Amino acid sequence: GIQVEQSPPDLILQEGANSTLRCNFSDSVNNLQWFHQNPWGQLINLFYIPSGTKQNGRLSATTVATERYSLLYISSSQTTDSGVYFCAVEGNTPLVFGKGTRLSVIA
Amino acid sequence: DAMVIQNPRYQVTQFGKPVTLSCSQTLNHNVMYWYQQKSSQAPKLLFHYYDKDFNNEADTPDNFQSRRPNTSFCFLDIRSPGLGDAAMYLCATSRDRGTGRAFFGQGTRLTVV
Repeated sequence: GIQVEQSPPDLILQEGANSTLRCNFSDSVNNLQWFHQNPWGQLINLFYIPSGTKQNGRLSATTVATERYSLLYISSSQTTDSGVYFCAVEGNTPLVFGKGTRLSVIA
Repeated sequence: DAMVIQNPRYQVTQFGKPVTLSCSQTLNHNVMYWYQQKSSQAPKLLFHYYDKDFNNEADTPDNFQSRRPNTSFCFLDIRSPGLGDAAMYLCATSRDRGTGRAFFGQGTRLTVV
């Protein structure tokens, strides 16, 4: 099945810093989404982005489908951005998740 | 406002005692998914429904069953929970397969004692 790799696995930032999270996938996909899992365990959908670039406030994402990767940018990070960020892709199988990037933003 | 609702939020069950988790949605989406997530791991798909069509993942244990009596509701039954089944169980929906955003419920955290 399709493999999804996320990097880095862990990231610690000072409040106000910027960061880039990466997602690589092993096969062509028609669906790619980024999620934030909050401390209570709920997965919040950040972006549906099978290709191209989208922005939502301090967050933006870019997917280059032909090169099989996606990037999530977080600018001016806040403590409330802490949590685990997952990339999930769908090709011939339902949504498959990467192992996530655990982000800690410290004041 | 919640679109995907899971009940209960927390469930404690005894080893070997059947337990049912529920999920409901107000989005009228065709696809419903059940994921299992253990501590510090990625969500793992157990099964999904496309409308009434049930799709079981190859490595989902027989101990796990599911029912979808109508579009809005889906249930996860664990017939004989073991200690290894303690996890967060996540329900999600999407409008169609292969496209569109997935929406997750708050999850049910299952403890087996």
